Amino acid sequence: AQRVTQPEKLLSVFKGAPVELKCNYSYSGSPELFWYVQYSRQRLQLLLRHISRESIKGFTADLNKGETSFHLKKPFAQEEDSAMYYCALNPPGGSYIPTFGRGTSLIVHP
Amino acid sequence: GAGVSQSPSNKVTEKGKDVELRCDPISGHTALYWYRQSLGQGLEFLIYFQGNSAPDKSGLPSDRFSAERTGGSVSTLTIQRTQQEDSAVYLCASTRDRGRGEQYFGPGTRLTVT
Repeated sequence: AQRVTQPEKLLSVFKGAPVELKCNYSYSGSPELFWYVQYSRQRLQLLLRHISRESIKGFTADLNKGETSFHLKKPFAQEEDSAMYYCALNPPGGSYIPTFGRGTSLIVHP
Repeated sequence: GAGVSQSPSNKVTEKGKDVELRCDPISGHTALYWYRQSLGQGLEFLIYFQGNSAPDKSGLPSDRFSAERTGGSVSTLTIQRTQQEDSAVYLCASTRDRGRGEQYFGPGTRLTVT
């Protein structure tokens, strides 16, 4: 069965510091991987997906198939990055049920 | 266009009562999901609808939970004989086709069972 693990429930950094939110997955094939973000009092929304290989709001995430990881990184955290972040996996065939990690709460202090 | 909408935004009910939560997906999206979001538990999949196919109910936690989707659009999640452990935020999401790609989420319904 597929699984997504976000080992940190809470990540606390100061403004300007680098941030890395970890995501590890277990799936034998080539899944679609996503990062979703939920800012305070806003709905959950897509931040980025691995196939687009883009940088959104300064965040990037690289799929490492060898380590089965999809960590989210930003070199210089901003206060407005404070939010709940979820890593998610879509299996490529058969099941259409995505698997979400438990989420990491990022707090960026001024 | 309009995003996914859910109603009510908040619902407080007494233990033992039934509740109905509504989701209106993005027009044209054929796939619809219900999730439960609890503090520290992440997103728990409940049920998945795809077009007119039979729903995947594998995530429903008990037979007190049911959902239907009328006309391939609006969906209602019903919780019968609510319990305190049902208190959570219930999220609805839709995707364009067969659950691939980005999920578009509604604002959620916060359910509190007293």
